[in-house]
Amino acid sequence: NFMLTQPHSVSESPGKTVIISCTRSSGSIAANYVQWYQQRPGSSPTTVIYEDDQRPSGVPDRFSGSIDSSSNSASLTISGLKTEDEADYYCQSYDSSNHVNWVFGGGTKLTVL
Amino acid sequence: QVQLVESGGGVVQPGRSLRLSCAASGFTFSSYVMHWVRQAPGKGLQWVTLITHDESYKYYADSVRGRFTISRDNSKNTLYLQMNNLRTEDTGVYYCARGSISRTTRMYTGMDVWGQGTTVTVSS
Repeated sequence: NFMLTQPHSVSESPGKTVIISCTRSSGSIAANYVQWYQQRPGSSPTTVIYEDDQRPSGVPDRFSGSIDSSSNSASLTISGLKTEDEADYYCQSYDSSNHVNWVFGGGTKLTVL
Repeated sequence: QVQLVESGGGVVQPGRSLRLSCAASGFTFSSYVMHWVRQAPGKGLQWVTLITHDESYKYYADSVRGRFTISRDNSKNTLYLQMNNLRTEDTGVYYCARGSISRTTRMYTGMDVWGQGTTVTVSS
């Protein structure tokens, strides 16, 4: 089993770029794809990145994802921040070990001030 | 359009049971794996259970194994979650979500469509 660790919160100004990290505790970050979900207050989650770096249709190209094996982490980058990006963001990956599990990070609250 | 609509939530006493439903539309329900994911008040997302498209495999989180049962009726495009022996820590919003599988690796990945959620409160 592994855990995904995210910063509790990040904040940045409109128009700037923010990077949210997601560090895998054990096993390679590259072993299973990472997804990122956005959850605005009072709403259900929506997918903004799937399979590490793929954007669903309708998601602006201001959102991008990547993984870094050297730090065993995934990152969600949001450029040209807008106030509407203010939300909680969760990373998630599938645990294909003996104990099958879909693992979520604890979530990062993004404030656009 | 692709849509998932949950129902069946409510207030229930500890030790009692509840059955959630999730009605799917806008896609071929019988072709997809399906998940239940929950969120305790003010907390993050927690995966609960998955069922394969033909019910051949079912996986559960440790916290619910033996108490919760996932099932589906492909003829009715509906997913279910039978929750027995409920505990106060089961309180939260329960989302059904369509599961995704990588086209290249054929491994499970995550969830690509989410419902609006249904609220379960376990309290005496």
